[in-house]
Amino acid sequence: DAGVIQSPRHEVTEMGQEVTLRCKPISGHDYLFWYRQTMMRGLELLIYFNNNVPIDDSGMPEDRFSAKMPNASFSTLKIQPSEPRDSAVYFCASSFGGRYEDEQFFGPGTRLTVL
Amino acid sequence: QQQVKQSPQSLIVQKGGIPIINCAYENTAFDYFPWYQQFPGKGPALLIAIRPDVSEKKEGRFTISFNKSAKQFSLHIMDSQPGDSATYFCAATGGSNYKLTFGKGTLLTVNP
Repeated sequence: DAGVIQSPRHEVTEMGQEVTLRCKPISGHDYLFWYRQTMMRGLELLIYFNNNVPIDDSGMPEDRFSAKMPNASFSTLKIQPSEPRDSAVYFCASSFGGRYEDEQFFGPGTRLTVL
Repeated sequence: QQQVKQSPQSLIVQKGGIPIINCAYENTAFDYFPWYQQFPGKGPALLIAIRPDVSEKKEGRFTISFNKSAKQFSLHIMDSQPGDSATYFCAATGGSNYKLTFGKGTLLTVNP
């Protein structure tokens, strides 16, 4: 298995532009998570899905952020409009099963820079 | 509100040393405590995990010690190697909440 795939790996954009980050979870996994990592705040959970349905989006910072999972093999995290404080590494992770002990497998991340 | 506090922020040891990373939590509903290892440019990967019904768990050179009454747990790396140089995150979850709450990470450097 190729693991969790994220694209792009790096994104540089200007303030006010729309940014779309993409994730392909491991085949068969029914949970998908979006995290943000910054030096100041560490690793934070933004939102997670179960069977393509958003379960908890309480970590989404504000309305500029939105996430979708149209099918079991694809999810997007969109920021519109982007701001410099959104600069961070965004990780997607997936897991199989409904127990919290089930291992979350992380993708390589997307490093976002908003100028 | 930071629910999992991790220390130190960074740690430098010589090869063969035993680095110790500490974490403390506040939420008594937490009952699963994993540690993740992250290399530069990579996503975190699960290293070892413990439940509070045991006080210690070993996997190879990695050991978690758990003190339920103090709400603290720590990671020990025996005979550390330069290849162990990475950022280590403790985390916690439990109750009805599927979320992992992470500590802020410890950057470990093992010198040859």
